Amino acid sequence: DTAVSQTPKYLVTQMGNDKSIKCEQNLGHDTMYWYKQDSKKFLKIMFSYNNKELIINETVPNRFSPKSPDKAHLNLHINSLELGDSAVYFCASSPLGADPETQYFGPGTRLLVL
Amino acid sequence: QKEVEQNSGPLSVPEGAIASLNCTYSDRGSQSFFWYRQYSGKSPELIMSIYSNGDKEDGRFTAQLNKASQYVSLLIRDSQPSDSATYLCAVGDNYGQNFVFGPGTRLSVLP
Repeated sequence: DTAVSQTPKYLVTQMGNDKSIKCEQNLGHDTMYWYKQDSKKFLKIMFSYNNKELIINETVPNRFSPKSPDKAHLNLHINSLELGDSAVYFCASSPLGADPETQYFGPGTRLLVL
Repeated sequence: QKEVEQNSGPLSVPEGAIASLNCTYSDRGSQSFFWYRQYSGKSPELIMSIYSNGDKEDGRFTAQLNKASQYVSLLIRDSQPSDSATYLCAVGDNYGQNFVFGPGTRLSVLP
Protein backbone atom coordinates (compact mmCIF):
# COMPACT_ATOMS: atom_id res chain seq x y z
CA ASP A 1 0.00 0.00 0.00
CA THR A 2 1.27 3.44 -0.92
CA ALA A 3 1.38 5.71 2.13
CA VAL A 4 1.36 9.05 0.31
CA SER A 5 0.36 9.08 -3.34
CA GLN A 6 0.32 11.86 -5.89
CA THR A 7 -1.28 12.18 -9.31
CA PRO A 8 -0.24 12.78 -11.93
CA LYS A 9 3.39 11.70 -11.83
CA TYR A 10 4.23 13.90 -14.81
CA LEU A 11 2.43 16.99 -16.02
CA VAL A 12 3.33 18.95 -19.13
CA THR A 13 1.24 22.00 -19.90
CA GLN A 14 1.25 25.40 -21.55
CA MET A 15 1.78 28.77 -19.91
CA GLY A 16 -1.42 30.35 -18.73
CA ASN A 17 -3.24 27.10 -18.07
CA ASP A 18 -4.78 26.11 -14.73
CA LYS A 19 -3.85 22.70 -13.34
CA SER A 20 -4.29 20.64 -10.19
CA ILE A 21 -2.11 18.05 -8.53
CA LYS A 22 -3.75 15.57 -6.20
CA CYS A 23 -2.36 14.10 -3.01
CA GLU A 24 -3.79 11.37 -0.84
CA GLN A 25 -2.46 9.77 2.33
CA ASN A 26 -3.81 6.59 3.89
CA LEU A 27 -1.87 6.93 7.16
CA GLY A 28 -4.51 8.74 9.15
CA HIS A 29 -2.18 11.71 9.55
CA ASP A 30 -3.50 15.08 10.65
CA THR A 31 -1.09 17.34 8.81
CA MET A 32 -0.25 17.52 5.12
CA TYR A 33 2.23 19.62 3.18
CA TRP A 34 3.25 20.74 -0.25
CA TYR A 35 6.90 21.29 -1.15
CA LYS A 36 8.47 22.64 -4.33
CA GLN A 37 11.89 21.46 -5.52
CA ASP A 38 13.36 23.45 -8.35
CA SER A 39 15.99 22.45 -10.89
CA LYS A 40 18.77 23.40 -8.47
CA LYS A 41 17.36 20.94 -5.93
CA PHE A 42 16.21 23.59 -3.47
CA LEU A 43 13.35 22.04 -1.50
CA LYS A 44 11.02 24.64 -0.03
CA ILE A 45 7.84 24.23 1.92
CA MET A 46 4.84 25.90 0.31
CA PHE A 47 1.99 25.02 2.65
CA SER A 48 1.27 23.01 5.74
CA TYR A 49 -2.33 22.21 6.55
CA ASN A 50 -4.32 20.39 9.16
CA ASN A 51 -8.03 20.45 9.77
CA LYS A 52 -7.69 23.62 11.77
CA GLU A 53 -4.95 25.69 10.27
CA LEU A 54 -3.39 26.54 6.94
CA ILE A 55 0.12 27.91 7.11
CA ILE A 56 1.32 29.50 3.93
CA ASN A 57 4.91 30.28 3.07
CA GLU A 58 4.73 33.99 2.39
CA THR A 59 6.87 33.65 -0.72
CA VAL A 60 4.29 31.47 -2.47
CA PRO A 61 2.32 33.39 -5.14
CA ASN A 62 -1.43 33.47 -4.61
CA ARG A 63 -1.81 31.63 -7.92
CA PHE A 64 -1.14 28.54 -5.80
CA SER A 65 -3.95 27.36 -3.57
CA PRO A 66 -4.28 24.19 -1.50
CA LYS A 67 -7.67 22.55 -1.35
CA SER A 68 -8.55 19.85 1.17
CA PRO A 69 -11.82 18.02 0.57
CA ASP A 70 -11.12 15.82 3.60
CA LYS A 71 -8.38 14.91 6.05
CA ALA A 72 -6.80 12.38 3.70
CA HIS A 73 -6.44 14.70 0.72
CA LEU A 74 -4.62 17.94 0.02
CA ASN A 75 -4.71 19.01 -3.59
CA LEU A 76 -2.66 21.81 -5.09
CA HIS A 77 -4.34 24.07 -7.61
CA ILE A 78 -2.24 26.38 -9.74
CA ASN A 79 -3.74 29.20 -11.78
CA SER A 80 -2.15 30.92 -14.78
CA LEU A 81 0.91 28.69 -14.91
CA GLU A 82 4.25 30.35 -15.58
CA LEU A 83 7.55 28.98 -16.86
CA GLY A 84 9.08 29.37 -13.41
CA ASP A 85 6.51 27.01 -11.96
CA SER A 86 8.34 24.12 -13.61
CA ALA A 87 9.62 21.98 -10.75
CA VAL A 88 8.96 18.80 -8.84
CA TYR A 89 6.16 19.14 -6.31
CA PHE A 90 6.18 16.84 -3.30
CA CYS A 91 3.28 16.19 -1.02
CA ALA A 92 3.99 14.96 2.51
CA SER A 93 2.09 14.11 5.66
CA SER A 94 2.82 13.67 9.36
CA PRO A 95 0.76 12.64 12.40
CA LEU A 96 1.01 15.90 14.25
CA GLY A 97 2.75 19.14 13.41
CA ALA A 98 5.75 19.50 11.17
CA ASP A 99 7.91 16.75 12.69
CA PRO A 100 10.44 15.44 10.16
CA GLU A 101 10.88 12.31 12.26
CA THR A 102 7.40 11.17 11.34
CA GLN A 103 6.92 12.84 7.99
CA TYR A 104 6.31 10.78 4.86
CA PHE A 105 6.91 12.16 1.38
CA GLY A 106 4.97 11.29 -1.71
CA PRO A 107 6.77 10.28 -4.92
CA GLY A 108 6.57 13.75 -6.47
CA THR A 109 4.87 15.30 -9.48
CA ARG A 110 7.14 16.61 -12.21
CA LEU A 111 5.58 19.72 -13.71
CA LEU A 112 6.90 21.20 -16.93
CA VAL A 113 5.42 24.45 -18.18
CA LEU A 114 6.10 25.22 -21.83
CA GLN B 1 15.24 34.73 6.82
CA LYS B 2 16.81 31.45 7.86
CA GLU B 3 19.52 30.21 5.56
CA VAL B 4 21.05 26.80 5.25
CA GLU B 5 24.12 26.33 3.09
CA GLN B 6 25.84 23.28 1.72
CA ASN B 7 28.59 22.67 -0.80
CA SER B 8 26.79 21.82 -4.03
CA GLY B 9 29.38 19.28 -5.06
CA PRO B 10 29.57 16.92 -6.69
CA LEU B 11 31.67 15.29 -4.04
CA SER B 12 33.42 12.22 -5.39
CA VAL B 13 34.94 9.60 -3.12
CA PRO B 14 36.26 6.11 -3.86
CA GLU B 15 34.39 3.10 -2.59
CA GLY B 16 35.32 2.29 0.99
CA ALA B 17 36.40 5.85 1.83
CA ILE B 18 34.78 8.25 4.29
CA ALA B 19 32.48 10.84 2.74
CA SER B 20 32.16 14.09 4.68
CA LEU B 21 29.20 16.37 4.02
CA ASN B 22 28.95 19.78 5.64
CA CYS B 23 26.12 22.18 6.37
CA THR B 24 26.06 25.64 7.96
CA TYR B 25 23.04 27.58 9.12
CA SER B 26 22.33 31.18 9.92
CA ASP B 27 19.74 31.01 12.73
CA ARG B 28 21.55 30.61 16.02
CA GLY B 29 18.28 29.64 17.69
CA SER B 30 17.93 26.47 15.60
CA GLN B 31 17.40 23.37 17.70
CA SER B 32 16.77 20.47 15.34
CA PHE B 33 18.91 19.21 12.50
CA PHE B 34 18.25 16.58 9.87
CA TRP B 35 19.97 14.84 7.00
CA TYR B 36 17.97 13.51 4.07
CA ARG B 37 19.11 11.34 1.20
CA GLN B 38 17.51 11.83 -2.20
CA TYR B 39 18.18 9.49 -5.07
CA SER B 40 17.75 10.91 -8.55
CA GLY B 41 14.08 11.12 -9.46
CA LYS B 42 12.95 10.03 -6.00
CA SER B 43 11.57 11.74 -2.92
CA PRO B 44 13.77 12.69 0.05
CA GLU B 45 14.12 10.17 2.87
CA LEU B 46 15.21 11.03 6.40
CA ILE B 47 18.40 9.23 7.40
CA MET B 48 19.63 11.09 10.50
CA SER B 49 18.42 13.59 13.04
CA ILE B 50 20.43 15.30 15.76
CA TYR B 51 19.41 17.74 18.47
CA SER B 52 22.40 18.01 20.83
CA ASN B 53 26.01 19.02 20.36
CA GLY B 54 28.36 16.17 19.63
CA ASP B 55 28.19 13.03 17.56
CA LYS B 56 25.34 10.67 16.84
CA GLU B 57 26.09 7.37 15.15
CA ASP B 58 23.74 5.08 13.26
CA GLY B 59 25.44 2.28 11.38
CA ARG B 60 27.82 3.75 8.81
CA PHE B 61 26.40 7.24 9.34
CA THR B 62 27.58 9.76 11.93
CA ALA B 63 26.01 13.18 12.36
CA GLN B 64 28.07 15.84 14.10
CA LEU B 65 26.59 19.03 15.51
CA ASN B 66 28.38 22.14 16.74
CA LYS B 67 25.85 24.81 17.67
CA ALA B 68 28.48 27.35 18.66
CA SER B 69 29.95 27.23 15.16
CA GLN B 70 26.54 26.72 13.57
CA TYR B 71 27.46 23.70 11.53
CA VAL B 72 26.27 20.17 11.20
CA SER B 73 28.02 17.45 9.26
CA LEU B 74 27.35 13.94 8.07
CA LEU B 75 30.06 11.32 7.79
CA ILE B 76 29.51 8.18 5.78
CA ARG B 77 32.03 5.46 6.55
CA ASP B 78 32.91 2.68 4.13
CA SER B 79 31.10 4.51 1.34
CA GLN B 80 29.30 2.33 -1.17
CA PRO B 81 28.19 3.11 -4.73
CA SER B 82 24.62 2.82 -3.43
CA ASP B 83 25.32 5.90 -1.26
CA SER B 84 25.55 7.99 -4.43
CA ALA B 85 22.73 10.51 -4.06
CA THR B 86 22.03 14.10 -3.12
CA TYR B 87 22.17 14.75 0.61
CA LEU B 88 19.94 17.51 1.95
CA CYS B 89 20.52 19.22 5.26
CA ALA B 90 17.46 20.63 7.04
CA VAL B 91 17.42 22.88 10.10
CA GLY B 92 14.47 23.68 12.32
CA ASP B 93 13.44 25.03 15.67
CA ASN B 94 12.06 23.02 18.60
CA TYR B 95 10.54 19.69 17.71
CA GLY B 96 11.40 20.16 14.03
CA GLN B 97 9.05 23.05 13.44
CA ASN B 98 9.68 25.56 10.69
CA PHE B 99 12.53 23.67 9.14
CA VAL B 100 14.45 24.95 6.15
CA PHE B 101 16.32 22.81 3.65
CA GLY B 102 19.76 23.45 2.23
CA PRO B 103 20.43 23.14 -1.50
CA GLY B 104 21.91 19.67 -1.15
CA THR B 105 25.29 18.12 -1.89
CA ARG B 106 25.58 15.55 -4.65
CA LEU B 107 27.74 12.61 -3.60
CA SER B 108 29.24 10.19 -6.08
CA VAL B 109 30.92 7.04 -4.75
CA LEU B 110 33.18 5.57 -7.38
CA PRO B 111 33.57 1.77 -7.53
